[in-house]
Amino acid sequence: EAGVTQFPSHSVIEKGQTVTLRCDPISGHDNLYWYRRVMGKEIKFLLHFVKESKQDESGMPNNRFLAERTGGTYSTLKVQPAELEDSGVYFCASSQDKELGTGSVSEKLFFGSGTQLSVL
Amino acid sequence: KNEVEQSPQNLTAQEGEFITINCSYSVGISALHWLQQHPGGGIVSLFMLSSGKKKHGRLIATINIQEKHSSLHITASHPRDSAVYICAAYQLPDYGGATNKLIFGTGTLLAVQP
Repeated sequence: EAGVTQFPSHSVIEKGQTVTLRCDPISGHDNLYWYRRVMGKEIKFLLHFVKESKQDESGMPNNRFLAERTGGTYSTLKVQPAELEDSGVYFCASSQDKELGTGSVSEKLFFGSGTQLSVL
Repeated sequence: KNEVEQSPQNLTAQEGEFITINCSYSVGISALHWLQQHPGGGIVSLFMLSSGKKKHGRLIATINIQEKHSSLHITASHPRDSAVYICAAYQLPDYGGATNKLIFGTGTLLAVQP
C-alpha cells in the first residue's frame, strides 16, 4: 500500500513567487491535514479536509495560502506571493475516521515526508 | 508558552537504558499522539491514546487526563531508537464537541549511544 506522498520534496523560490505543494493521501482516507514547521518552532496545524470539504482552516496564516482538494483525492497548497517567513517544512497527513469505542479514541495518522520550502 | 510542553528537549542515553520522555499540556484534550521522526525521515505515529496505557514492543505510552500529562517510555534502548519524539494532542474546543486539530510539542531529540 502506498503511503502519503508529497511533491516536491524541496522547493527554493524567490520572495514574491508562487509555489504549489501537492499531497497524495493514502487511497480511501477521507481526512487530510496540512501542517507546517517553521525553523526552530513546533509543528503547527494549518487545515483539515474531510473529503473535498474544508473542515477546519483555523491554522491558515493568511490569505496568501490557498488549499484545495478537488474530488476529495489529492490536495494542493498554494502560496502566492511567497514571503520569507513562509520558509519551513510543510507536512501532509491522512487518516480514516477516528474510531470511538469503549471510552477510547483511535485514529491511525499517516504522514508524508514533507516539503522543505525555502523562500529567498 | 506552548499549550503542549515536552521534556527534556534533548536526551542522550547509553544503549540498554530505560528512557522516559514527558509531555504536559495546559488545555483540554480528547486524545494524544506520540510521533517519531528519524533523521532525514518522515513522521510516524507510534501511539494514539486517550486514557490508560498502550504498549508496543519496547515502547510504552501512558496518559493521565486529570493531571494533563503523558509519558513515553523506551525499555532496553537501542541506537536505532535515536530520533525526535513528538507529543501532539487533539485540543477540545471551548464550544464542546471534538476536533481533529493537533497541537504539537517542540519535540525531544533522543540520541542512544552504543
